[in-house]
Amino acid sequence: KAGVTQTPRYLIKTRGQQVTLSCSPISGHRSVSWYQQTPGQGLQFLFEYFSETQRNKGNFPGRFSGRQFSNSRSEMNVSTLELGDSALYLCASSVTANTEAFFGQGTRLTVV
Amino acid sequence: QKEVEQDPGPLSVPEGAIVSLNCTYSNSAFQYFMWYRQYSRKGPELLMYTYSSGNKEDGRFTAQVDKSSKYISLFIRDSQPSDSATYLCAKDSSYKLIFGSGTRLLVRP
Repeated sequence: KAGVTQTPRYLIKTRGQQVTLSCSPISGHRSVSWYQQTPGQGLQFLFEYFSETQRNKGNFPGRFSGRQFSNSRSEMNVSTLELGDSALYLCASSVTANTEAFFGQGTRLTVV
Repeated sequence: QKEVEQDPGPLSVPEGAIVSLNCTYSNSAFQYFMWYRQYSRKGPELLMYTYSSGNKEDGRFTAQVDKSSKYISLFIRDSQPSDSATYLCAKDSSYKLIFGSGTRLLVRP
C-alpha cells in the first residue's frame, strides 16, 4: 500500500515568489492535514481538509492557503515568500478525524 | 503554557536499556494520543495510537496513558542504535494534532 506522497521533495525559492506544494494521501484517506516544522517552533498545524472542505486552520497569515480536490489530493500555496517560511512542510492523511494520521516525507523549502 | 509538554532531551542510553519518554497535556478534550518517531530529514513515522487509559503494546514499544494525571508515556524495551531518533507525542484536537516539542534519543552501541 503506497504511503503519503509529497512533491517536490526540495525547493529553493527567492523572497517574494510563490510556491505550490502537492500531497497525495493514502488511498481511501479523505482527511489531509498540513504542518510546518522548524527547529525553533516544532510542528505547527496549518490546515485540515476533508472532502474538499477546510475544517480547521492554524494561526498562519493569509499568505498560506490550501485546497483539496475530489480525489482527496491536496495542494498548499504560499505567496510572497519570506525568509522565515523556510521549513519542512509535512502532509498527513487519515481516513477521517480521530484516526491514525500518516505523514509523508515532506517538502523542504528554502527561501533565499 | 503549551497544550502538550515534552522534555526535549537529548536522552542518551546504552544499547539494551529500557527507555521511558514522557509527555503531559493540559486540555482534556479530544483524548486521542499518538507517538511518532522521526529520523533526521524524514517525515514522522507513526508508532502508536491510543485512546483509552492504560497500556497498549506493540513489539518492543508500550504506550501508556494516564488521563487522571494527564500523562502519556512511551516505553522502548531492549533499545537499539537504530532507535536513535526524535520521538514526538501528539494529541488529537478538533481536526488537528497538537505536538510536543520532541525528545531526541541516542542509543549508544
